[in-house]
Amino acid sequence: EVQLLESGGGLEQPGGSLRLSCAASGFTFSSYGMSWVRQAPGKGLEWVSSISPSGDGTNSADSVKGRFTISRDNSKNTLYLQMNSLRAEDTALYYCAKATVVTPFLFGSWGQGTLVTVSS
Amino acid sequence: DIQMTQSPSTLSASVGDRVTITCRASQSISMWLAWYQQKPGKAPKLLIYKASSLESGVPSRFSGSGSGTDFTLTINNLQPDDFATYYCQQYNNYFRTFGQGTKVEIK
Repeated sequence: EVQLLESGGGLEQPGGSLRLSCAASGFTFSSYGMSWVRQAPGKGLEWVSSISPSGDGTNSADSVKGRFTISRDNSKNTLYLQMNSLRAEDTALYYCAKATVVTPFLFGSWGQGTLVTVSS
Repeated sequence: DIQMTQSPSTLSASVGDRVTITCRASQSISMWLAWYQQKPGKAPKLLIYKASSLESGVPSRFSGSGSGTDFTLTINNLQPDDFATYYCQQYNNYFRTFGQGTKVEIK
């Protein structure tokens, strides 16, 4: 069974940094693209960033480009999101998501999320 | 970026009803459209991909159609477990975008 367990969220001041982690199990982590998707309180879903299975290819939404960096450690089956220069509008529940077998552009399995709150 | 617009934002229906949700893309996305279901306090769940392909394990009362810019999600014989929020998502390119969501409520 696929399991994705996010951690690292919390309260941070504007301009601060946080590093999110997603521990994966139940599948061959190094064979799948991975992504972060966020959801602001009471709002819809927003794709944040994605990384290829080997880690040599990444893409990010314009809203976080230059501030957030996605990475992975296939030896530890762990996905990361380094979040710098945080803004109030980054406040959201951050989900880790695994790509599907059919295509890397879909979100086939999701974690339960970790909450990031940016406030002074 | 490709903008995705869903309608309606909220839909009231009864058990046994047939409901239809529409999703429109700001430019053609061929058939690269997925639908997700999200229940309160839970992560989203993939229902349909490539506009009309049912994800494994998803009940056959769910169906999708469309291509280009206009798509629909249809739920036949609405069940109590189906009351949730539904999102469309385009994956025509790397910069994936979601619709704003449609909440299906109990009438």
